[in-house]
Amino acid sequence: SQQGEEDPQALSIQEGENATMNCSYKTSINNLQWYRQNSGRGLVHLILIRSNEREKHSGRLRVTLDTSKKSSSLLITASRAADTASYFCATPQRTGANSKLTFGKGITLSVRP
Amino acid sequence: NAGVTQTPKFQVLKTGQSMTLQCAQDMNHNSMYWYRQDPGMGLRLIYYSASEGTTDKGEVPNGYNVSRLNKREFSLRLESAAPSQTSVYFCASRVSSNQPQHFGDGTRLSIL
Repeated sequence: SQQGEEDPQALSIQEGENATMNCSYKTSINNLQWYRQNSGRGLVHLILIRSNEREKHSGRLRVTLDTSKKSSSLLITASRAADTASYFCATPQRTGANSKLTFGKGITLSVRP
Repeated sequence: NAGVTQTPKFQVLKTGQSMTLQCAQDMNHNSMYWYRQDPGMGLRLIYYSASEGTTDKGEVPNGYNVSRLNKREFSLRLESAAPSQTSVYFCASRVSSNQPQHFGDGTRLSIL
């Protein structure tokens, strides 16, 4: 079952503009993670935000988490052509003593030079 | 500093053939995962191993088997390949729950 759902499915912007991507989830979580995937490569972890955090920054990335709305957003400021990739949100689901990540279907971001 | 290494990178099989996809990590991580990625479907978990000696089914385990050979290695086996198993397969690992996963670069598998 899909826990995280990203929005929009695809986004095309000009270099220098900001890109905002959203993720909604269904059940309570203790953290939410964002990953990037460049074409032909594996996923790379970008940022993890815990349920008791509302906002987190990493370089040009800003992630917010609203647990009351069960949603998160990823903002990339001053985008570059190299930011062209697919972006995924992922949420942990507990299975007994363990937890596993459930990924959304991803957002395809194209940054035009 | 290899991280997660998957072999092979590409493979073409005929229906009914068997194959083992290999995955090894050098980060001393406890948990390892196998996903498949299909267009429009995102990543779906096939099997995972929370720690050495344990394996559990994920969302789409049918047609696959796994072996956690030791702490470093986690293999995925297709006993009788079917065209529906054409996909890109990713292996991932992480040190513990609630920590990020580290991914390999995938195995692109085509079954004719």
